[in-house]
Amino acid sequence: DVKVTQSSRYLVKRTGEKVFLECVQDMDHENMFWYRQDPGLGLRLIYFSYDVKMKEKGDIPEGYSVSREKKERFSLILESASTNQTSMYLCASRPTRTGLNTEAFFGQGTRLTVV
Amino acid sequence: EDQVTQSPEALRLQEGESSSLNCSYTVSGLRGLFWYRQDPGKGPEFLFTLYSAGEEKEKERLKATLTKKESFLHITAPKPEDSATYLCAVQADGSTLGRLYFGRGTQLTVWP
Repeated sequence: DVKVTQSSRYLVKRTGEKVFLECVQDMDHENMFWYRQDPGLGLRLIYFSYDVKMKEKGDIPEGYSVSREKKERFSLILESASTNQTSMYLCASRPTRTGLNTEAFFGQGTRLTVV
Repeated sequence: EDQVTQSPEALRLQEGESSSLNCSYTVSGLRGLFWYRQDPGKGPEFLFTLYSAGEEKEKERLKATLTKKESFLHITAPKPEDSATYLCAVQADGSTLGRLYFGRGTQLTVWP
């Protein structure tokens, strides 16, 4: 079975802390994504990566950075956590294939609370 | 500017009361439209992919259809366990590196 695993289900951090959210996939997918999900706003793309050490900004990259040192792992970093970054964070992966486009697979989500 | 719009935002149905959810999109050159189900506090779970107008796919009480401008998710005789948020996403020609564009979802509640 396809699997995307996020390191934590719940996190509570203090304002100003540096926060690391980890995501690992076991499907050898090239593309990985980080979203945040807030009520009424849907899924918003923060960053994505199409290869090791490659990254692209999504729609809301401010206050975040990412790291992809290995193909299976994609990390989201909150440089200095703020209360407005309290949210559900979702990681996804997707293969790059010619022909028909395939779906993205999601992790279980990390509920981050910044106090 | 939203490229994917889902309606209604919320829908309450009595058990057995069939209905449809809508996903309209404005992208040109659709390469795929995806339906997901999301339970509270969990990640989205893949349901269907549709690629071309006229295509239909079914799974249990769910049936997804696609036209040139929208997709419908039909729910026949729903049960309380069908309660979830249903998300629609599209990939279009020119989408940067395979990213998907998501709608905001329809929150479905089915009561006994």
